[in-house]
Amino acid sequence: QSVLTQPPSLSGASGQRVTISCSGSSSNIGAGYDVHWYQQFPGRPPQVVIVGDSNRTSGVPERFSGSRSGSSASLAISGLQSDDEADYYCQSYDNSLSAWVFGGGTKLTVL
Amino acid sequence: QLQLQESGPGLVKPSETLSLTCSVSGASMISTIYYWAWIRQPPGKAPEWIGSVFYSGSAYYSPSLKSRVTISVDTSKNQFSLKLTSVTAADTAVYYCVRQAPESKNTPRFYYFMDVWGKGTRVTVSP
Repeated sequence: QSVLTQPPSLSGASGQRVTISCSGSSSNIGAGYDVHWYQQFPGRPPQVVIVGDSNRTSGVPERFSGSRSGSSASLAISGLQSDDEADYYCQSYDNSLSAWVFGGGTKLTVL
Repeated sequence: QLQLQESGPGLVKPSETLSLTCSVSGASMISTIYYWAWIRQPPGKAPEWIGSVFYSGSAYYSPSLKSRVTISVDTSKNQFSLKLTSVTAADTAVYYCVRQAPESKNTPRFYYFMDVWGKGTRVTVSP
């Protein structure tokens, strides 16, 4: 059971906007630790797309944006495209576990 | 361009020790900025942090695996290694070696993210 909770699956039509949530607690996101987001295609390693809550990494389209509020964070993808279909994971640090932790992941389907 | 490559047996018997090596190319591991980590991902599940090591050899481990894990570094070969003892079927996963980086210099390690990943190596624990 992950300490960061994400919806297992989400879907959206091409061109729509979707938001993936990542719910934590006072020992991780709520403690102020950065949230990072990763995109993973089948058979490939995860690749970071958002660092430090809201900063896109090199090459990531402006359609991807990150935010945080309290003990939660979100990844929004606007103008959904078929190649956005992937698994997405949030990641932070947990001071009660003394560990870097990942969310359980969200499988995004583009209809 | 920095590249990481995992190597080691793809099949390990229960109760034995899993040993993997990560070869780093394109840059020296000797850096006061980066950590070098092992992450694993069981089939159909989320990634799980196993542990991280600094070039000096100082290491941090996941509390749930700490009693069975050792991560070491060999800067002369630009490699770091993972040993996981007393493996069971629950240790079956794709194992990745990863570089951990900060957004900016002087950022505490708690804020680091995983910026470069190896391709991963599948390890199955089975008799």
